[in-house]
Amino acid sequence: NAGVTQTPKFQVLKTGQSMTLQCAQDMNHEYMSWYRQDPGMGLRLIHYSVGAGITDQGEVPNGYNVSRSTTEDFPLRLLSAAPSQTSVYFCASSATPSGGYTFGSGTRLTVV
Amino acid sequence: SQQGEEDPQALSIQEGENATMNCSYKTSINNLQWYRQNSGRGLVHLILIRSNEREKHSGRLRVTLDTSKKSSSLLITASRAADTASYFCATDGVTDSWGKLQFGAGTQVVVTP
Repeated sequence: NAGVTQTPKFQVLKTGQSMTLQCAQDMNHEYMSWYRQDPGMGLRLIHYSVGAGITDQGEVPNGYNVSRSTTEDFPLRLLSAAPSQTSVYFCASSATPSGGYTFGSGTRLTVV
Repeated sequence: SQQGEEDPQALSIQEGENATMNCSYKTSINNLQWYRQNSGRGLVHLILIRSNEREKHSGRLRVTLDTSKKSSSLLITASRAADTASYFCATDGVTDSWGKLQFGAGTQVVVTP
């Protein structure tokens, strides 16, 4: 029972590079989210999905794109990395919109 | 903007003692959730309390919710060294904000043997 799997665990990017953070869940959850965690600020919602083909913006969506082609996968794309995107990124999923979320172990991203 | 704010920011206690942390929020909620995060790991869901509930228990955890004061508290009884972690409250808003959790900055708890 893998739960929510995020890859890679660590990544260093140069300013201007693009990359995709992968997130996959095997619990058949419809609801998936991406958060970033910065020191002293808790987690902030980047993008949200209520099912395949449906996504919505969160609190800090600028510079990030998402798509949801399957129930299992919810990749997060950084279009042109900036130092301000240095953070720890978490993917989470839930069976219901108002239930508890299962989190992945995170991706630590550094943009230099 | 953060919806929830935890208090205190940090808490240091001895094993066997109780730990209490508080969360205040700003707007109406559908439910409030508490999560634990061990250093360098993902968040783990602890307990969820709905807006029409006032108190909920789960093992050594007790959560209260006062919607009139827009506040919640998490009590961990008989703390253990393994309870050392950061604890976050997260609010789930109403209607079109369902599922878009808003987190506070967390309370860092250290339990010493």
